[in-house]
Amino acid sequence: DAGVTQSPTHLIKTRGQQVTLRCSPKSGHDTVSWYQQALGQGPQFIFQYYEEEERQRGNFPDRFSGHQFPNYSSELNVNALLLGDSALYLCASSFGPQGQETQYFGPGTRLLVL
Amino acid sequence: AQSVTQLDSHVSVSEGTPVLLRCNYSSSYSPSLFWYVQHPNKGLQLLLKYTSAATLVKGINGFEAEFKKSETSFHLTKPSAHMSDAAEYFCVVSENFGNEKLTFGTGTRLTIIP
Repeated sequence: DAGVTQSPTHLIKTRGQQVTLRCSPKSGHDTVSWYQQALGQGPQFIFQYYEEEERQRGNFPDRFSGHQFPNYSSELNVNALLLGDSALYLCASSFGPQGQETQYFGPGTRLLVL
Repeated sequence: AQSVTQLDSHVSVSEGTPVLLRCNYSSSYSPSLFWYVQHPNKGLQLLLKYTSAATLVKGINGFEAEFKKSETSFHLTKPSAHMSDAAEYFCVVSENFGNEKLTFGTGTRLTIIP
């Protein structure tokens, strides 16, 4: 049973560019959440998708957007990249959006913005 | 609003001695609480979770945590540290009723002294 997978593993972009990160949830899961983990920090919640809708959003600008597909996979898009967007981006999946459900994390995509 | 405070940014213990990682939480509702571990260059792994059942929660690898509502604490313990326990540990809170995002603490780096 495959766990949460993310692609790519590493990415280098320059300021002003746009990036798309991808996530496939654990088998049987229908909810995907995205987190940003800056170096030396705990992960920060970006948004959560359930039934192809953005269900909750953290304190991130509109440059961060996402999508969930009918097969429950998800994309995170970041436009107009800033140096401060350099971080590890984590995807987590769960069965249902309820808070007590365990979220399983993927290995992350490390984004470097130059 | 929900939040967690991890009281120690760095804890060092000798191999074979007890581990105590401290966490206090704040929540408007009855929370779910989690401890996750992150080894270098690896994803987040769930150690244990509390979801309003038994207040003493047992997790993987010999870890356990006790939910104390009166003290708003959820400290993580292990009777005997092993070299493989060296990692970053995150205390995490999630509320139900429409605010199911995970809110992470800033992390505690656990170092094991041989």
